[in-house]
Parts: sequence; structure tokens; C-alpha cells
Amino acid sequence: NAGVMQNPRHLVRRRGQEARLRCSPMKGHSHVYWYRQLPEEGLKFMVYLQKENIIDESGMPKERFSAEFPKEGPSILRIQQVVRGDSAAYFCATGGETQYFGPGTRLLVL
Amino acid sequence: KQEVTQIPAALSVPEGENLVLNCSFTDSAIYNLQWFRQDPGKGLTSLLLIQSSQREQTSGRLNASLDKSSGRSTLYIAASQPGDSATYLCAQAGTASKLTFGTGTRLQVTL
Repeated sequence: NAGVMQNPRHLVRRRGQEARLRCSPMKGHSHVYWYRQLPEEGLKFMVYLQKENIIDESGMPKERFSAEFPKEGPSILRIQQVVRGDSAAYFCATGGETQYFGPGTRLLVL
Repeated sequence: KQEVTQIPAALSVPEGENLVLNCSFTDSAIYNLQWFRQDPGKGLTSLLLIQSSQREQTSGRLNASLDKSSGRSTLYIAASQPGDSATYLCAQAGTASKLTFGTGTRLQVTL
């Protein structure tokens, strides 16, 4: 899983600010999954993207959250006007049947 | 709605013991089931993947089984070591490889 890169590893935001989380999949992979892990909870699927396409966003909150995976560059998960409840670890993953996870971005909203 | 449950939530065993972690799932139309390990503050490491057509997979001291009819999977760890201390997650894959995770079993292996 060392091939999946996420940055930043830690992100601190104040309420109302925007958070941008980046994920670069393993070389040769053109799709990513985003998951969120709230404190003391399991990982929950958020969104599945391929290059320039959102395939499944059934786990995304209806407001303030968006994701993209442009033709060039990393996938970005964007959270607008963050609230304290957005504090969590956000993981991206790639792969086929075996999924490989990045190290995660730990978002703390003050 | 797919649900994955893991018991126990936490487990502490002395070094050298064999142990079993349990995972149950509600969706019988499972594509595969995957076991992961998560160390504190870190990402997930894939341990074993069992296809829906398989009954078990083995890697070193780890053995995972899958019983679709009962909706259960177990992860067997032989001769546990302190380095095995971590949270173990099972995840069921549905369509498009989207994973549904259990809440995990926090394992501590003591000296």
C-alpha cells in the first residue's frame, strides 16, 4: 500500500474553513475510493471515482462535500465550511479485488 | 442495506495463544471478503482476501474462512505475538469493489 499517496497527513481547520484532501493512486490505477473513519467508528464508503468521472457517490453527505479526479493530477476530496463533526480520518484506496489504502489524512476541526 | 458486524470488539490474550476473530455479514450476494489490519494512527494493510467461491485462505500464521450460507467469516491467528497487536477489520465487497467495513476487533497480545 506504499504506492497510494495522501497529503496532507494531518490537517487542522477552523470551523467554516475549507479542507482539501489529496490522493494519488498507485501507478497504473485510474480509480480511487474515498472512505471516512469517524472516531471510534468503522470506515464508511464515501465515493468511487475514475478519471474525470464519479461512478458512485452514494456515501457522500449531501452538502458541503465534493470529490473529483481530473485527467491530470491527484483526486481531491473537498469539504466546504467544515464543522467539528467533520473531524475524522479520511482514507483513499485503489486496486482491484484487493484494495490498497493510503496512510490517510487526519482532519481536525477546531 | 449491507451490514458487517465484528465480535468481540476488543480482545486481550497472552503471547503464544491461538485466537479467532469473528465477522458476520448480512448480504449473501457477497463478491469477496477481505481482512485488514490497522495500527494506531496508520492506514490499512490488507491481510487476506477470500473470493465468494472460496472457503478459506491462508498466509503464514493467518487463516481466514468464509461461510456464505451463514454469513460468517473468521480470522484465525496462530501462536500470537505482541507484534500482532492492532485493530483487525473485515470488509465485504459488493458491486464495483465498494467495501462495507465492520467496526473492528482491537487485539492486544501481552508478554
